[in-house]
Amino acid sequence: NAGVTQTPKFQVLKTGQSMTLQCAQDMNHNSMYWYRQDPGMGLRLIYYSASEGTTDKGEVPNGYNVSRLNKREFSLRLESAAPSQTSVYFCASSDLWDKEKLFFGSGTQLSVL
Amino acid sequence: GENVEQHPSTLSVQEGDSAVIKCTYSDSASNYFPWYKQELGKRPQLIIDIRSNVGEKKDQRIAVTLNKTAKHFSLHITETQPEDSAVYFCAASGGSQGNLIFGKGTKLSVKP
Repeated sequence: NAGVTQTPKFQVLKTGQSMTLQCAQDMNHNSMYWYRQDPGMGLRLIYYSASEGTTDKGEVPNGYNVSRLNKREFSLRLESAAPSQTSVYFCASSDLWDKEKLFFGSGTQLSVL
Repeated sequence: GENVEQHPSTLSVQEGDSAVIKCTYSDSASNYFPWYKQELGKRPQLIIDIRSNVGEKKDQRIAVTLNKTAKHFSLHITETQPEDSAVYFCAASGGSQGNLIFGKGTKLSVKP
């Protein structure tokens, strides 16, 4: 089992460019999440998907969109990147019966110049 | 909504000493309190958690205590080792927002 896999690991964008962060899990988990981590700010929830076919906003959704492609995959899209979106992005998933226990991917370090 | 505050932001201890990290939460309906450890450049990983019907939980050198009345919970690490050096995050969930709300983290350094 690979667990939660994120791609890419690193990305540099110019202001205004778009990109999609990919996330896949092989644990048959129902719920998936996207967090961003900034120095001194902890982990903040961007969007989550409680189950296949549903998505909801978290604490900091502005400037992002998500797609729950199927049960395994949950992508995060930046339509027009801004320097304020420079961050480390973590995808996570959790089981239906223990949805509060998160399993994180290895992260994507994104720099927007 | 829920607000989780974590203190201290940095903590330095000598190897073998104990370390304590404290968190407070605002939503009295929260009922699940996990702690995550994040080593440098790695992903956060769950190390211990506690639910509101329990006052204390131990797992070898780590323990978590919960005071529901005061709305605070703490992580205790005894006999610290250099490999305990990491950033530790507390979190709370089960309140009105449902999802986990994280504290801002504590960077623990254990000096040999």
